[in-house]
Amino acid sequence: GESVGLHLPTLSVQEGDNSIINCAYSNSASDYFIWYKQESGKGPQFIIDIRSNMDKRQGQRVTVLLNKTVKHLSLQIAATQPGDSAVYFCAERPSGGSNYKLTFGKGTLLTVNP
Amino acid sequence: DADVTQTPRNRITKTGKRIMLECSQTKGHDRMYWYRQDPGLGLRLIYYSFDVKDINKGEISDGYSVSRQAQAKFSLSLESAIPNQTALYFCATRGAGSHTDTQYFGPGTRLTVL
Repeated sequence: GESVGLHLPTLSVQEGDNSIINCAYSNSASDYFIWYKQESGKGPQFIIDIRSNMDKRQGQRVTVLLNKTVKHLSLQIAATQPGDSAVYFCAERPSGGSNYKLTFGKGTLLTVNP
Repeated sequence: DADVTQTPRNRITKTGKRIMLECSQTKGHDRMYWYRQDPGLGLRLIYYSFDVKDINKGEISDGYSVSRQAQAKFSLSLESAIPNQTALYFCATRGAGSHTDTQYFGPGTRLTVL
């Protein structure tokens, strides 16, 4: 999985399988987290977000889990499709005075094999 | 996201040239951001603006300047381009007081400085 600080990891899955992409964040004061999807040649696209007062949030085919104890965030994609192939990265927002900006992870490249 | 547009999409220029990248948004957001993306480094904040009269430096502002001509327009300039400014540049917007703190990105400008 990725960390807000590591080289770009890769994940290869078969079409129809579930995918889990991980993110470790470093700032225990972060109170808001976002997952983005970036397809080749395009800008990052919002997928799902979660606030620190929650530990799980579900969207359409996606679920984000937040474990504040170990500062870990994950994105689960159900029934992965070829169109899900992209780089996925997490972003965290610190609470307080610096809450105007996001810190982005480097991303995980997801490849879906048909 | 068609709500945030960037021009040009691709640009090749020479060292020492002045370059302007433009961003326009129809989302009605007051907050706008400029990022650069480099392989293995993730998104890094160059400048941000909370409204027309507010401009702030991000973490890597040296060699760049910005202009917020209107609420909907935020341009990034490289006064004298250098090769290490070769990167993918993204504009993003965010609405103040919105129920989410998500930033919405444009499609990006690929800049190559020879």
